[in-house]
Amino acid sequence: GQQLNQSPQSMFIQEGEDVSMNCTSSSIFNTWLWYKQDPGEGPVLLIALYKAGELTSNGRLTAQFGITRKDSFLNISASIPSDVGIYFCAGISGGYQKVTFGTGTKLQVIP
Amino acid sequence: EAEVAQSPRYKITEKSQAVAFWCDPISGHATLYWYRQILGQGPELLVQFQDESVVDDSQLPKDRFSAERLKGVDSTLKIQPAELGDSAMYLCASSLEGGHTEAFFGQGTRLTVV
Repeated sequence: GQQLNQSPQSMFIQEGEDVSMNCTSSSIFNTWLWYKQDPGEGPVLLIALYKAGELTSNGRLTAQFGITRKDSFLNISASIPSDVGIYFCAGISGGYQKVTFGTGTKLQVIP
Repeated sequence: EAEVAQSPRYKITEKSQAVAFWCDPISGHATLYWYRQILGQGPELLVQFQDESVVDDSQLPKDRFSAERLKGVDSTLKIQPAELGDSAMYLCASSLEGGHTEAFFGQGTRLTVV
């Protein structure tokens, strides 16, 4: 099945650094979602974006819905050890609200 | 806080055996999704229900997988017979119908086929 392209695939950063990751698609989406998944757990919703150009924050997280509706970006400021995990984007489209996931970005924070 | 419930959390089964997973979505959520997540990859949609009706099962291997949501509430995903390649995390998610949609996930069932 289709998966959205996320980059980078993985990243190691020092605690306190800012992080940026993005998600791109060849298809247009009506909604973009960003999830974080810890090992052995289900994805947990972080941010939802509903409108092209929208910029939304949730604490140290900021995400943007791309103007073309084919991409989205997630930034994490001042990273901390508990930010470690895999971050997935997901796009929603169609009358039945089909959810398509990205390939994931694995984040490791070095204390 | 409302959450999606899944059981069992872990399941080990021998190949060629039958296995079933159960999901109870958040109350009032009309849309229910079953995903399969292979280690190191993102979740892939297997089947999507709108109430009791299947609206997308294009990626469901129908020769061995089946899913039902008889009363439009909880759902069961079955594999028969299980194959080694079915080892994965099976995730259930639910969302409200229409409008601004956010899909919420359960903790998943980790299946190991031996």
